[in-house]
Amino acid sequence: DQQVKQNSPSLSVQEGRISILNCDYTNSMFDYFLWYKKYPAEGPTFLISISSIKDKNEDGRFTVFLNKSAKHLSLHIVPSQPGDSAVYFCAASGADGATNKLIFGTGTLLAVQP
Amino acid sequence: GAGVSQTPSNKVTEKGKYVELRCDPISGHTALYWYRQSLGQGPEFLIYFQGTGAADDSGLPNDRFFAVRPEGSVSTLKIQRTERGDSAVYLCASSLDRSSKEQYFGPGTRLTVT
Repeated sequence: DQQVKQNSPSLSVQEGRISILNCDYTNSMFDYFLWYKKYPAEGPTFLISISSIKDKNEDGRFTVFLNKSAKHLSLHIVPSQPGDSAVYFCAASGADGATNKLIFGTGTLLAVQP
Repeated sequence: GAGVSQTPSNKVTEKGKYVELRCDPISGHTALYWYRQSLGQGPEFLIYFQGTGAADDSGLPNDRFFAVRPEGSVSTLKIQRTERGDSAVYLCASSLDRSSKEQYFGPGTRLTVT
């Protein structure tokens, strides 16, 4: 049972345009959401996060939006740059109050074309 | 400062052998996590340490897998009687303490069981 879903395996965007990566979740107990970026042969790198008490968090070119009623979050990258090309993972935590273990989606491969 | 380090970066072993994978977390981080990532999937939680104790080992797939963190810093993931299905990238992450939500990952150990 996939609790965190990223339904788009890949996305291609032109440099300078907006990239929108989507993520859906099923467990209403999740209270914290994170986006990680992963280059080949490297570990995931923390990008941005959002608490369930907020609906938006912004950090430079990256903004995460959370729609709790729809159990949906999205990551917006504006403007997209070729260096943003990577696999992006959505992750959630808080369903198990005892730990902060992360539940990951399957990732979206973003390709930013120069 | 130094990030999370993992050794070895690659490990090839024969089916049935025993392997140890090492993780050195960010200095001062008391929480440590192990995840496993198979091809085309997101990382899957294995075990969580708070200090020296395993606070949550619910993700360990079976009793061939074991992990220790005797001094509350370096952790070792141990796999007995390896099987081909154990082949994956094993990721370690650390966070400042049990209340910190953001986890910082190492580069991973790619384990191949032949």
